[in-house]
This record gives sequence, C-alpha cells and structure tokens, in this order.
Amino acid sequence: QVLLQESGPGLVRPSETLSLTCSVSGGSISSYYWSWIRQPPGKGLEWIGYLFYSGSSGSTNYNPSLKSRVTISIDTSKKQFSLNLSSVTAADTAMYYCARAQMAYTSGSLSWFFDYWGQGILVTVSS
Amino acid sequence: QSVLTQPPSASGTPGQRVTISCSGSTSNIGSNNVNWYQQLPGTAPKLLIYNNNRRPSGVPDRFSGSKSGTSASLAISGLQSEDEADYYCAAWDDSLSGQFGGGTKLTVL
Repeated sequence: QVLLQESGPGLVRPSETLSLTCSVSGGSISSYYWSWIRQPPGKGLEWIGYLFYSGSSGSTNYNPSLKSRVTISIDTSKKQFSLNLSSVTAADTAMYYCARAQMAYTSGSLSWFFDYWGQGILVTVSS
Repeated sequence: QSVLTQPPSASGTPGQRVTISCSGSTSNIGSNNVNWYQQLPGTAPKLLIYNNNRRPSGVPDRFSGSKSGTSASLAISGLQSEDEADYYCAAWDDSLSGQFGGGTKLTVL
C-alpha cells in the first residue's frame, strides 16, 4: 500500500515562496511521475507538474501557466519530493495534493493517471 | 476555463443510470486515454476509471467509462446515495500538459 503525506506551512505571505513536501511510503520512488495538483476552494482540479525519477536522474514537466514560478525536486534518500511556488498571490490559495502518476503509451495513445493521492494540505496566501 | 468540458451538475434517483460527459479536442481526448476521478466531500480525489474504460481494483462494476472521438463518458448504473460526489475527467494534452475537466457535481435525489 502506497501512502503519500503532504507537509508544510498552511499560511504563506503574498510575494513569498510556497514550499511543500510529500513523503512517500510503501513503494518504490523510481519509475513513477511524482506530481502536484491543486484545487482552489470550491473549484476544480489543476495539474501543477511532475518529476519523473528513473532511478538515476529526474526530469520535470510543468503546467505552462505556472512554469515560470514552479520547481519540483526530489530527495530519494528520504523518499520525499517537494514543490516550490514563488511569488504567490491570493489566487494561489488552494488545497494542494501530491500524487503518484503513471504514464505510458498503450496502443498508440498516452495513458496518464494518478493512482495514489495524499490527503491534501490547505495553503492560504494572506498577509 | 477548462480545456475538457463537463456539465457542472447531474442528478438521478437511487437505482437509476446516469451518465456524465467530457468533451475535448484532437490534442487531448482524441489522441490520448481518458481517466475519471471521484471526489467525495472533504476528501482527496480517487481514481475511478483509467485508460478510457478500465477499473482499478475495488471499484464496483456499476461504474463504466467509454470514449469516442474527442468525447468520453462516465456511466453509473444502480445509482446509490454514496455516489453523491464530484466527478472529474482528465487526459494528457499533446501540448505537454495534463488537463482536468471542470468537474460535475452528482446529486442523488
């Protein structure tokens, strides 16, 4: 059973950097797409980005609308991956979820889905 | 404004069959597989359907998915009160980004 748990501050000041960590237990950290998704209060889901760790190196891909402000990194020794979102505003107030994604081509079509999710952490941007 | 379009709401009575649609384009649903997530109130989303019509272990066969062209559908048969939740479709877009639908709130009357 794979478990994911988000941690970090629940309140961030405007213009500062939001930093969250996701701890992974119960499974390998290699060969998966470790992802962040957010959900503003009362609204829908928004994909933030992923880091794919191959076992020797990592590669990232970010939502184009957030790309200039987002960094996802990984600490394999601790089985944790992190999200940094810089220059936050009130519009970044949301529930932030970490999740494990699988991506692969099947019969010519790309399969991309989140099979495990953390419980989420609410981050409020306010002075 | 979501790239994948879902109706904001749907409803049905217990035992009924309901469907939720998800409309996209050739760069997402038309090219790639569709997934569906169920989000019960106050909880994280849960994978319901992946690769258009596959159910993860533990998901009842009352839930089914289909895809045709640039649209997909989630069907729930034998509707139960515990199915009241928000449902989201998702697909990878060839612009190299993941896309979610805006979500559909299902009410069991």
